Amino acid sequence: GAGVSQSPSNKVTEKGKDVELRCDPISGHTALYWYRQSLGQGLEFLIYFQGNSAPDKSGLPSDRFSAERTGGSVSTLTIQRTQQEDSAVYLCASSLGGTHGEQYFGPGTRLTVT
Amino acid sequence: LAKTTQPISMDSYEGQEVNITCSHNNIATNDYITWYQQFPSQGPRFIIQGYKTKVTNEVASLFIPADRKSSTLSLPRVSLSDTAVYYCLVGPSGANNLFFGTGTRLTVIP
Repeated sequence: GAGVSQSPSNKVTEKGKDVELRCDPISGHTALYWYRQSLGQGLEFLIYFQGNSAPDKSGLPSDRFSAERTGGSVSTLTIQRTQQEDSAVYLCASSLGGTHGEQYFGPGTRLTVT
Repeated sequence: LAKTTQPISMDSYEGQEVNITCSHNNIATNDYITWYQQFPSQGPRFIIQGYKTKVTNEVASLFIPADRKSSTLSLPRVSLSDTAVYYCLVGPSGANNLFFGTGTRLTVIP
């Protein structure tokens, strides 16, 4: 079956521009996660959705970052006024429910801010 | 916050058993321990999950002592294709306590 998909796969943007990253989770998965991975580093947890709700957004690194999920499915991560330190791979994962379950990861979006 | 500590890197020869230990001293009662594998330019992939004692599946075993303050991922008879980064994840006591850490880079040598 279809896995988690993310778009775009690569995004190059100029400093100060806004970007939108999209995640399509596996159908039926109620939990959705966003992570950020800088080159050679581990995964930094950003935000978690259960359905359309994000119980706690404190993992987002600054107020330039926001995320939403609609219809319990697609999620978008928006970065406003991008900075060079935002350059990273942004990974999305989904799981059947709750936060104990196996997470299925997408291929990621590589964001480069010039 | 249930943070984890793992060795940064390990080397092993093909055919050997590899054990990677993760420390999680502040693990909470509700936390599970999950291990993921990540190849370059790919998202992590689930390997195994456990709560206590021992769990085994077709690819690995997970050993968790009674105090649950550490866990050991055991990979039997590794091959070159097992070269990857392995992450220990402990959570959640709250959803935003999901912490992957920097992982262990395993290099399998011919």
